[in-house]
Amino acid sequence: KAGVTQTPRYLIKTRGQQVTLSCSPISGHRSVSWYQQTPGQGLQFLFEYFSETQRNKGNFPGRFSGRQFSNSRSEMNVSTLELGDSALYLCASSLAGAEQVTDTQYFGPGTRLTVL
Amino acid sequence: AQSVTQLGSHVSVSEGALVLLRCNYSSSVPPYLFWYVQYPNQGLQLLLKYTSAATLVKGINGFEAEFKKSETSFHLTKPSAHMSDAAEYFCAVSEPGTASKLTFGTGTRLQVTL
Repeated sequence: KAGVTQTPRYLIKTRGQQVTLSCSPISGHRSVSWYQQTPGQGLQFLFEYFSETQRNKGNFPGRFSGRQFSNSRSEMNVSTLELGDSALYLCASSLAGAEQVTDTQYFGPGTRLTVL
Repeated sequence: AQSVTQLGSHVSVSEGALVLLRCNYSSSVPPYLFWYVQYPNQGLQLLLKYTSAATLVKGINGFEAEFKKSETSFHLTKPSAHMSDAAEYFCAVSEPGTASKLTFGTGTRLQVTL
């Protein structure tokens, strides 16, 4: 069974641009969560999508947005990039998310975003 | 709000020695607790999780953790370290009912020496 895939793996952008990252969950998984990992702030939850609806949201500005498609693939978008947005963005998928106490989140390898 | 604290950003052990990585949690309700490992340039891999079924949880690669409510701790241990265990380890907590929203600790980098 294929794992969580994220594309692209590396990305370089300049300040003010926008970027879209993609995540394909494990087949059959309906929940997709996004996390930002930086040396200063560590791992922080961005948002979670389930059945094409945002179900949970972290404390990030509105420049960070996401969506989920009917096949459970998810994209996150960051508009008006800032230097501080440079980070590893991790996507995780799980079967059904909140209701499953035995549910496990499986993480992808991440997209390394560098903002110049 | 849920939170976890990992004591020690770097831990160094000799190969074959006991591994002990510390994690303390703060939660107003019974938490779900997790340990993840991250190898360089890779995502996170789940080692084990506690969801109130048993206080001693066994995970992959010989790791285990014990939930101690009285000490609000969930320390990760392995009896004998292997060179391949060198990685960064993260403790995480989620609220019951929101298992997909994890709050992570700051991580502990484990170094294994010969």
